[in-house]
Amino acid sequence: QKEVEQNSGPLSVPEGAIASLNCTYSDRGSQSFFWYRQYSGKSPELIMFIYSNGDKEDGRFTAQLNKASQYVSLLIRDSQPSDSATYLCAVIWGSSNTGKLIFGQGTTLQVKP
Amino acid sequence: DTEVTQTPKHLVMGMTNKKSLKCEQHMGHRAMYWYKQKAKKPPELMFVYSYEKLSINESVPSRFSPECPNSSLLNLHLHALQPEDSALYLCASSQHTRLAGSYNEQFFGPGTRLTVL
Repeated sequence: QKEVEQNSGPLSVPEGAIASLNCTYSDRGSQSFFWYRQYSGKSPELIMFIYSNGDKEDGRFTAQLNKASQYVSLLIRDSQPSDSATYLCAVIWGSSNTGKLIFGQGTTLQVKP
Repeated sequence: DTEVTQTPKHLVMGMTNKKSLKCEQHMGHRAMYWYKQKAKKPPELMFVYSYEKLSINESVPSRFSPECPNSSLLNLHLHALQPEDSALYLCASSQHTRLAGSYNEQFFGPGTRLTVL
């Protein structure tokens, strides 16, 4: 089992729709979860972080965390063509204060006009 | 200032060259990181510095040598690299390396695209 798993996609949604990106992780001790957006040829950009079970909203983005199911998701409302990118789920790994960030393989999102 | 800067943006080097990558942040962060990213793959952690001390080396070959001269600067010294080391090298920083709670989110610089001939 991979440490952090995402569907590679591509996930294709029409403009204005909700895009739903999913991620599972294998370390039950993980407590910090992040979503990064990466455009082709650019570096990862932090768009959301979540530490507690439940939902966290920021503009068009909502992160959802369920530690019991070891599942974290990202919803993008009113998707725009500019949202087309690779979305990386990342988890701080282990049970000590190492800062070791483990990434999933990334999901490619395509928003079609 | 909420930026991590990296120089150079691009670097081409031969297998016998010695070069260095530089990373700088002025956010007062006390943790800094080096990652390597190959095409269509996620970033892979190489090194972690916490309060200017090396805390993680992810079994990186010795031809990569990190250095943290002060809390704002991080260098990666390169020597005798192989063509398979060609990749995007990313620097990141965070307030600290705590497992839980806020302020452990990592912010990435733009990266240095390295080509080894």
